[in-house]
Amino acid sequence: AQRVTQPEKLLSVFKGAPVELKCNYSYSGSPELFWYVQYSRQRLQLLLRHISRESIKGFTADLNKGETSFHLKKPFAQEEDSAMYYCALSAYNNNDMRFGAGTRLTVKP
Amino acid sequence: DTEVTQTPKHLVMGMTNKKSLKCEQHMGHRAMYWYKQKAKKPPELMFVYSYEKLSINESVPSRFSPECPNSSLLNLHLHALQPEDSALYLCASSQSVRGGGTDTQYFGPGTRLTVL
Repeated sequence: AQRVTQPEKLLSVFKGAPVELKCNYSYSGSPELFWYVQYSRQRLQLLLRHISRESIKGFTADLNKGETSFHLKKPFAQEEDSAMYYCALSAYNNNDMRFGAGTRLTVKP
Repeated sequence: DTEVTQTPKHLVMGMTNKKSLKCEQHMGHRAMYWYKQKAKKPPELMFVYSYEKLSINESVPSRFSPECPNSSLLNLHLHALQPEDSALYLCASSQSVRGGGTDTQYFGPGTRLTVL
């Protein structure tokens, strides 16, 4: 069974500082990894997925199969990045999505 | 229309009531999902419908009964719920492209359910 671990429940950084939200996973097959974000009073939405290999709102995430990690990074955090971030995993070609516990990011002015 | 809509936004029901949650999307997606989210917890998958057929049931109690009448609609029928079932119920949809890959899920705003 797949499992996702986000070790930090809360993360606080100052505006302009780099930020890294950690995500580790456990799955024996081919995983598909996602980062979903929930801004205050908004619905849960996709931020990025590993197969796209793109940067969204300055965020990037690289799948490291050796370390079974999919950490989310941004070099210069902005106040509008404050939100709840969930790492999620699905088995390849499977709609069974598992979410990590989430990390609440606060970017202070 | 590029959104998933859910009705009602809020629902309060007694343990003997029967109620239904409704979810709708008009993006041509063929997979639809129900999740349960307790306060300060991540969403937990309950059911997945793929091409209007139930494909995943995560051992959900029978007091929750899903229904997918067509490719745009998803219902969750509730009967004899318990207070611990109080939560935010999220609906999502995805394209469900067969042949490989997992699709991005698009979430609705949720129905906040309180069971008295």
